[in-house]
Amino acid sequence: DAMVIQNPRYQVTQFGKPVTLSCSQTLNHNVMYWYQQKSSQAPKLLFHYYDKDFNNEADTPDNFQSRRPNTSFCFLDIRSPGLGDAAMYLCATVKEWGTEQETQYFGPGTRLLVL
Amino acid sequence: DQQVKQNSPSLSVQEGRISILNCDYTNSMFDYFLWYKKYPAEGPTFLISISSIKDKNEDGRFTVFLNKSAKHLSLHIVPSQPGDSAVYFCAASGWGGGTSYGKLTFGQGTILTVHP
Repeated sequence: DAMVIQNPRYQVTQFGKPVTLSCSQTLNHNVMYWYQQKSSQAPKLLFHYYDKDFNNEADTPDNFQSRRPNTSFCFLDIRSPGLGDAAMYLCATVKEWGTEQETQYFGPGTRLLVL
Repeated sequence: DQQVKQNSPSLSVQEGRISILNCDYTNSMFDYFLWYKKYPAEGPTFLISISSIKDKNEDGRFTVFLNKSAKHLSLHIVPSQPGDSAVYFCAASGWGGGTSYGKLTFGQGTILTVHP
């Protein structure tokens, strides 16, 4: 059963053309995260939502924005993609904060290619 | 400053033998540790976790050991199977400075190859 769903799985965009990646979850988790992962590097946290409260990581470029219209959905908007933004984008969810409940469940990812 | 380190970029093991993947951390505020498995072009899949109040957690073929004094954790896979071949990431989270948002700090990953 799919729990964290990301669409599309592969996205090709042009340099500077805005793109939106989608994440949905059927777990009714409070927290949703967006990560960027390049090559074989560790995932890098971009931002997260706790319910409707948004928290941006300090080093996340302004080019990256996010929206969470309801509990189930969260979007990643890249306003003007550059070649350096080509990566795998991962969405993850957590039920609640606190030990034993902080297990993050990841979606399959969206691989973004910028031409 | 890399707070979670996986010093072995790769590990090769024969099918049926034990795989031991290691992870070291430096931040004493970490209190929850996780292992994820990742296949190419897919998202990480949660494997097993351990909280800092325990020193061992077992789930089928997977066992995670935590040595808090050494700030070291390890994942044991017994017996190893070819389908276990993947990249394994350890990750840590915890309360730092009185706030926590479940932020995971990942290691760089270890590529496990299990040969038939």
